[in-house]
Amino acid sequence: GAGVSQSPRYKVAKRGQDVALRCDPISGHVSLFWYQQALGQGPEFLTYFQNEAQLDKSGLPSDRFFAERPEGSVSTLKIQRTQQEDSAVYLCASSLHGGDGYTFGSGTRLTVV
Amino acid sequence: QKEVEQNSGPLSVPEGAIASLNCTYSDRGSQSFFWYRQYSGKSPELIMSIYSNGDKEDGRFTAQLNKASQYVSLLIRDSQPSDSATYLCAVSGAGSYQLTFGKGTKLSVIP
Repeated sequence: GAGVSQSPRYKVAKRGQDVALRCDPISGHVSLFWYQQALGQGPEFLTYFQNEAQLDKSGLPSDRFFAERPEGSVSTLKIQRTQQEDSAVYLCASSLHGGDGYTFGSGTRLTVV
Repeated sequence: QKEVEQNSGPLSVPEGAIASLNCTYSDRGSQSFFWYRQYSGKSPELIMSIYSNGDKEDGRFTAQLNKASQYVSLLIRDSQPSDSATYLCAVSGAGSYQLTFGKGTKLSVIP
C-alpha cells in the first residue's frame, strides 16, 4: 500500500478486556516497529520485527503485551487484561531497512475505561 | 538509560521568522539523528535525518549536528503558520533500529 495502515483508529476497552491492534506496513518494508505514545510524550519503543522474526521485544511493558508478524507483512499487537495505564496511542512504523527513518501509521488510540 | 532532551515550549515565532529547535542526547555512541513533525492528533512525519557533523539543508529546513557537544538542532526559515506543530527529536545508536524520542517542542507560528 501507499502508507502504513493501522486499525482500528480508535478503541475503547473495558478494564480487563483483551484487545488486538492491526498494522499493515508499506509493501516491501522489511522492518516493522511498534511504539506507544502517551499524551504529551514522545513515542516509546515497544518491539521490532525484521520480516517475521521478532528481534527485540525489550520495550514491551509487561507479559500482557504480545506482538506477532507471522508472514512478515501484517502485524498484530495484542494486549491482554487491559488496564487504565495502557491508555495511549499505539503507533506502527515500517522502514525498508532497520535504522532508517521510519514511516509511521496514523495510530490506534486506545482508551481503557 | 538513553535520554533525549528537548525544551517542551511552546516556542512562539512570528510568521516569516526563523524558528530554532534544540535537542541534546545522552548516549555518546549515537549515530543517527532525526527530526519528526507531529500535528495535533496525527502521527509523526519524518522531515529531516542527519548522520554526520555539520549542517544539512532541505528547503526551508536545516538540521545541525555537533556530536562533540551531543547536540542537534533544527532551523526553520521563513516560518509559516502551517509549521505550527510539535517537533520530535529522535536518536539511534550504531547499527541500532530503535529510536529514542524526546518529548517534543511545540512550535506556534503567529500570523
